[in-house]
Amino acid sequence: KNQVEQSPQSLIILEGKNCTLQCNYTVSPFSNLRWYKQDTGRGPVSLTIMTFSENTKSNGRYTATLDADTKQSSLHITASQLSDSASYICVVASNSGNTGKLIFGQGTTLQVKP
Amino acid sequence: DAGVTQSPTHLIKTRGQQVTLRCSPKSGHDTVSWYQQALGQGPQFIFQYYEEEERQRGNFPDRFSGHQFPNYSSELNVNALLLGDSALYLCASSLASQRRTYEQYFGPGTRLTVT
Repeated sequence: KNQVEQSPQSLIILEGKNCTLQCNYTVSPFSNLRWYKQDTGRGPVSLTIMTFSENTKSNGRYTATLDADTKQSSLHITASQLSDSASYICVVASNSGNTGKLIFGQGTTLQVKP
Repeated sequence: DAGVTQSPTHLIKTRGQQVTLRCSPKSGHDTVSWYQQALGQGPQFIFQYYEEEERQRGNFPDRFSGHQFPNYSSELNVNALLLGDSALYLCASSLASQRRTYEQYFGPGTRLTVT
């Protein structure tokens, strides 16, 4: 069964600190993996996207890693800011012929406190 | 360049009623996908429309139906509303020619509350 599992479910950190969010997946065939940031009550916004051959990608203070062998990904946030408070969703795309689907994790809720 | 827009922003309905949610895709996009996101959960895929036809469907009952218009905008209809249908409904648009990257742009969502 195609699944994406994220940990932790929620996280509280102090402003300025770093944190790492985890994503494990069992999706086949694998096309790409992306991390989204979703503010409360808003739609998700893409942060990074990685294909099978990429193992690191950065977007400002966000750095995503991908280990296709162990089927694990992480999102590292450096020098957190209050505006980083949001839900972070790991999404794996699976392609099969001309169709495909996105499998979403349940998200990690991050709260950054001053 | 307009992004994905959805209407209404919020909606309150009573059990048994019917609801229609609307989505306009990002300019130039031809494919629309709908998702249901319960509080504290990730989005769940409902269905996808391309060329005015339902191309893929997730594990949702027939009470959930949709439509895509010639201008690529889309509607999601839910009949016989249940309390469990309360959720944020997200619309995402994409370009069929780029389906292998699955790049989707999400709208702000419609918050549906069923009482």
